[in-house]
Amino acid sequence: KQEVTQIPAALSVPEGENLVLNCSFTDSAIYNLQWFRQDPGKGLTSLLLIQSSQREQTSGRLNASLDKSSGRSTLYIAASQPGDSATYLCAVRDSNYQLIWGAGTKLIIKP
Amino acid sequence: EAGVAQSPRYKIIEKRQSVAFWCNPISGHATLYWYQQILGQGPKLLIQFQNNGVVDDSQLPKDRFSAERLKGVDSTLKIQPAKLEDSAVYLCASSLSRDSSYGYTFGSGTRLTVV
Repeated sequence: KQEVTQIPAALSVPEGENLVLNCSFTDSAIYNLQWFRQDPGKGLTSLLLIQSSQREQTSGRLNASLDKSSGRSTLYIAASQPGDSATYLCAVRDSNYQLIWGAGTKLIIKP
Repeated sequence: EAGVAQSPRYKIIEKRQSVAFWCNPISGHATLYWYQQILGQGPKLLIQFQNNGVVDDSQLPKDRFSAERLKGVDSTLKIQPAKLEDSAVYLCASSLSRDSSYGYTFGSGTRLTVV
């Protein structure tokens, strides 16, 4: 059974720092992995989607990597800003077309 | 393109009352999902539609929850009667197809509070 873990559960860093959020999964047989952002009380905004054949995806200050063999993905945020404060969730799509979710990392960027 | 629309944004009801949520997916998206997200947890899939047919409802509490997707477009999710533990954000998402490689688009969600 696929399990997705995100560590740490919460992270607080000063503005301007580069940071890395981690996502690990137990079964390497995934179709893709998606990173989402969730602001308090709101829905989910898709940030980056990495197909199983890809190693990384980039969008602006965000870079997501995927290492299927080790069951890991990282989301790198460069030059963090207070507006980046949110909860970041990763989800993997398995062979049954299901999205398996991590519990998220709550990120706080201090001005 | 327009996103996934959900309504209402917020709802407060008393336990044992009924409530309904509405979702309009992105035009052309065949697959529609309803998720329940309890505070501090990742979303939990309740039901998945492919066009107007149910693909997966294995985690839907069928004694109190029901969902339909008439004509393969809009969808409604109903809870009757509601329990305190149903307090959560209900998220609707859509994708081009069940095996879509294009990812999922989520609506803003409906925050339900049962008192």
